[in-house]
Formats: sequence, C-alpha cells, structure tokens
Amino acid sequence: DGGITQSPKYLFRKEGQNVTLSCEQNLNHDAMYWYRQDPGQGLRLIYYSQIVNDFQKGDIAEGYSVSREKKESFPLTVTSAQKNPTAFYLCASTSPSYEQYFGPGTRLTVT
Amino acid sequence: AQSVTQLDSQVPVFEEAPVELRCNYSSSVSVYLFWYVQYPNQGLQLLLKYLSGSTLVKGINGFEAEFNKSQTSFHLRKPSVHISDTAEYFCAVSFPKLVFGQGTRLTINP
Repeated sequence: DGGITQSPKYLFRKEGQNVTLSCEQNLNHDAMYWYRQDPGQGLRLIYYSQIVNDFQKGDIAEGYSVSREKKESFPLTVTSAQKNPTAFYLCASTSPSYEQYFGPGTRLTVT
Repeated sequence: AQSVTQLDSQVPVFEEAPVELRCNYSSSVSVYLFWYVQYPNQGLQLLLKYLSGSTLVKGINGFEAEFNKSQTSFHLRKPSVHISDTAEYFCAVSFPKLVFGQGTRLTINP
C-alpha cells in the first residue's frame, strides 16, 4: 500500500534537547510538507520541499530545520530554539492533482 | 491576503439530521478547493475536492460540497449524519499554496 509513514507516534523529550521526527513516503510525490497542529488553531505550515535538495520556510519555521536528501524522506528536527515545541506534527505530500496525502502524525511532548 | 474561514468552530447535530459546515475564502483568482476529515489522533483524510467542472462535488462517506464562485464559498453538506461522522473537518484552498481553515468540530448526538 502506498502512503506516508511517520514515526514515532508519540515522542517525549526533555526541554533543551533536539529531536528528529521521521517522515517517509512511497507515493513518488515530489512535494512534501510539515505542519504543526495545536488545538483550535488548525494546521500551520513549518517547511515544505518541492524537489530533492531544496526546501522553503513556511509560516512558522523558527526553531525547526529539515533536510531532503532523498525523494522519499523529509525529516523534521525540532531544535531547542523552538520555544513551545509540544504539539501534533503532520507530514504530507502532494499528488500531481493537487491532493495532499497526510501521515498519521507524531505527538511530541516536551517537559 | 489569502485566507480561509470556517464560520463555525463547533457544530452539534442529532444523529440522522442533515448538516452543513461552512467555508469561505478570499481570492479573486481561480483556486482549487478541498475538504478533509480528521479523527482523533490521526492524520487528515481527503473527503472531496473541486478542481474544475461541475460545482457540486460528491465525496466519500456521503458528503458533498458546492462551489459558489460569486460568494467564494465551498460549504460541505451531508443529508443524514451518523455517530461515526464525529470528527474535525478542515476546508483547504490552494492559492496555489494550500491554506487551511481553523477547522470545525462536528459532534453527533444520539
């Protein structure tokens, strides 16, 4: 089955630590996205990549970093500079018909 | 500025009643329109999309939506809801960058 996988589903970290969230897709899509979801705030775009080795900042990129070394993979690092990292993180990719496919999400809790 | 507004943050309805979830957007150019559903602690799943053609779009789970260009709206409807429709629903507009509304939480009461 084609789709997007995110791991782990739940992640716990201490404040001050960097953490990397995994996102893998086997849909052969060029474009991939990272969103952050907080209660009552919908989805906010963190970073996106339209092609391998290229990525762009979204609306809330501060405190986050990404890489896109392979078409299938788009990992997100939440750095210690992110002031409020506890959230639900969603990875997505876009088909040629503009439909976004989402992964199951990773819930990050930083204490 | 390009924006998407979901007019209701929460919509409670009784089972088997009809429901309409409202979505308006700001744009003077052609756009693509989407509705997604999110069940608790899961990713988003596409319900339906409008790219071109007929303004009435049918999706999965008995949902449909109507694109109204003059009112820049894309309201989602279902004639008879079930308990299993309890979820959060997101309207999204491709400007072409995809912009999401704030979401509408649909709760179904027995």
